[in-house]
Amino acid sequence: AQTVTQSQPEMSVQEAETVTLSCTYDTSESDYYLFWYKQPPSRQMILVIRQEAYKQQNATENRFSVNFQKAAKSFSLKISDSQLGDAAMYFCAYRSARGNQFYFGTGTSLTVIP
Amino acid sequence: DGGITQSPKYLFRKEGQNVTLSCEQNLNHDAMYWYRQDPGQGLRLIYYSQIVNDFQKGDIAEGYSVSREKKESFPLTVTSAQKNPTAFYLCASTIQGTGGTQYFGPGTRLLVL
Repeated sequence: AQTVTQSQPEMSVQEAETVTLSCTYDTSESDYYLFWYKQPPSRQMILVIRQEAYKQQNATENRFSVNFQKAAKSFSLKISDSQLGDAAMYFCAYRSARGNQFYFGTGTSLTVIP
Repeated sequence: DGGITQSPKYLFRKEGQNVTLSCEQNLNHDAMYWYRQDPGQGLRLIYYSQIVNDFQKGDIAEGYSVSREKKESFPLTVTSAQKNPTAFYLCASTIQGTGGTQYFGPGTRLLVL
């Protein structure tokens, strides 16, 4: 089974600053999808950003962008101009192109300091 | 509005009792999932279903059971065999194949009395 590793259990950032959350994964497949999900205190899981492995261009969604390094099997999330509402648990996830099972990391708790 | 609903929001279980958590989706998704989340931990897969009347065990299926009689519905029963059921339970769904995104319901918090 694929494994997803988030090595930073907790991170903090000053409001309006930039923070990068790390994620690495292990797979022997060449075609797959990667995701970042946000889980605020309400515990509702919300999709932040999605990346297709066959695309070299890094995905971006407003203040959120990824640095996808396929050879290094790295998929970090950059949050620019951090806002108080960004405070949440962030999960990295992997999905094979051939299957329907998702694999999640253990999460990074992000604190935004006013 | 399309989405996933879970009920109840909070559920209390007595010793030796079976309880059922509801999950309904109107997204026309083929695949549905149940995850368990414990404090400070990630999501662990309990069961998933790719098609009606078929489902597969995940990593922590013991003490749980599911059914998939309708495409829209994927209820989870926490049986008395599950000795430590206190957790947050999340239901999710996705389109079959094509690398579709997984969408989540709001969750059910299960507590043991």
